[in-house]
Amino acid sequence: ETGVTQSPTHLIKTRGQQVTLRCSSQSGHNTVSWYQQALGQGPQFIFQYYREEENGRGNFPPRFSGLQFPNYSSELNVNALELDDSALYLCASSDLAGGLKETQYFGPGTRLLVL
Amino acid sequence: AQKVTQAQTEISVVEKEDVTLDCVYETRDTTYYLFWYKQPPSGELVFLIRRNSFDEQNEISGRYSWNFQKSTSSFNFTITASQVVDSAVYFCALVIIQGAQKLVFGQGTRLTINP
Repeated sequence: ETGVTQSPTHLIKTRGQQVTLRCSSQSGHNTVSWYQQALGQGPQFIFQYYREEENGRGNFPPRFSGLQFPNYSSELNVNALELDDSALYLCASSDLAGGLKETQYFGPGTRLLVL
Repeated sequence: AQKVTQAQTEISVVEKEDVTLDCVYETRDTTYYLFWYKQPPSGELVFLIRRNSFDEQNEISGRYSWNFQKSTSSFNFTITASQVVDSAVYFCALVIIQGAQKLVFGQGTRLTINP
């Protein structure tokens, strides 16, 4: 059973650019969630995808968008990058059918630096 | 509103000491789940334990133990006979359903075990 994988591991962009981060979910999981973790903070929920549809979103602007593919992998896109977007972006996979009790398993993250 | 508070920002102990990490949560839900995750320097969030609101039994797993007390809304984590490899940031989290299955994290406690 493969775990959650993310690519790339590190990324440097300049303000105003666009970035795409990728995540492959754990085998058997149909749900992918994205979190942003600023330095020294706890992760903050960005949004979640279930069966290729966004089914919930945190307090992030529309320039944060995503996709989920039929194989349950996912992309996070951020347009018009700002300096404050510099963070560790974590992807988590789970089986939404499990409801509240379902554990989210995280990938290694992508460290984004915006200059 | 749901909230998780980890009042201890940093803890530093000498190897083999016991250490307890505190977690206090707020929720109006009667059914909920709590989690602990470990984040080593590599950045990946590693799942440690899940506890539901109906089960107040303490749990022990090797050197780790968890004390869940609904009366004080606390879910504390103790490491017995700490080891250098336990050094990491530890996060307590509460899962909520707002359309999506969303984890609400505390700010984390950075634990350093000194040899």
